[in-house]
Amino acid sequence: DTGVSQNPRHKITKRGQNVTFRCDPISEHNRLYWYRQTLGQGPEFLTYFQNEAQLEKSRLLSDRFSAERPKGSFSTLEIQRTEQGDSAMYLCASGITGLNTEAFFGQGTRLTVV
Amino acid sequence: AQKITQTQPGMFVQEKEAVTLDCTYDTSDQSYGLFWYKQPSSGEMIFLIYQGSYDEQNATEGRYSLNFQKARKSANLVISASQLGDSAMYFCAMREGSGGYQKVTFGTGTKLQVIP
Repeated sequence: DTGVSQNPRHKITKRGQNVTFRCDPISEHNRLYWYRQTLGQGPEFLTYFQNEAQLEKSRLLSDRFSAERPKGSFSTLEIQRTEQGDSAMYLCASGITGLNTEAFFGQGTRLTVV
Repeated sequence: AQKITQTQPGMFVQEKEAVTLDCTYDTSDQSYGLFWYKQPSSGEMIFLIYQGSYDEQNATEGRYSLNFQKARKSANLVISASQLGDSAMYFCAMREGSGGYQKVTFGTGTKLQVIP
């Protein structure tokens, strides 16, 4: 399968715990994006990378959130000291610089904080 | 002000009929792009169609077409010959500015249900 892959698909965690999600983009895509989607809403932009450089971060990305893409390939999104309000679907997408085209999305990681 | 407005929370359409999903947008940029995505219950966002602000022709992709009315700032999605598999959430989205795909603002979505 050459699509965008996200792991895990589902995560249930206790409030206050740290969680980490992984995204493996399509191999030739140099751009990688993270979005958060809450129930009944469209995805909200969190951050994006071009290769290993994090070029833009949303104000939604509080100090408890950190994203990395150390080798310009896969990316991780970590949430520290999770809160119930962090419960959402976290979507990853990848794309190519220079093309005004779509980004390809993964199936998302659904986080539930209890 | 909302950048992307989808006024139809839910829509029903008879199988094999055409349906139009509404989307209006708000931007002061001259260069922008408009997207439509489909999100089935599995959660994955599936790209359907793209329209650039400078494109003179309406975009088409198979059974999907985008009715782009720049002066009215609307970018409605038309699905022809609806199929049961078209039942899903549909999101309109906009990328502002030039320089390729950066951050994109999504609407709140329209839930489409196709009736046999």
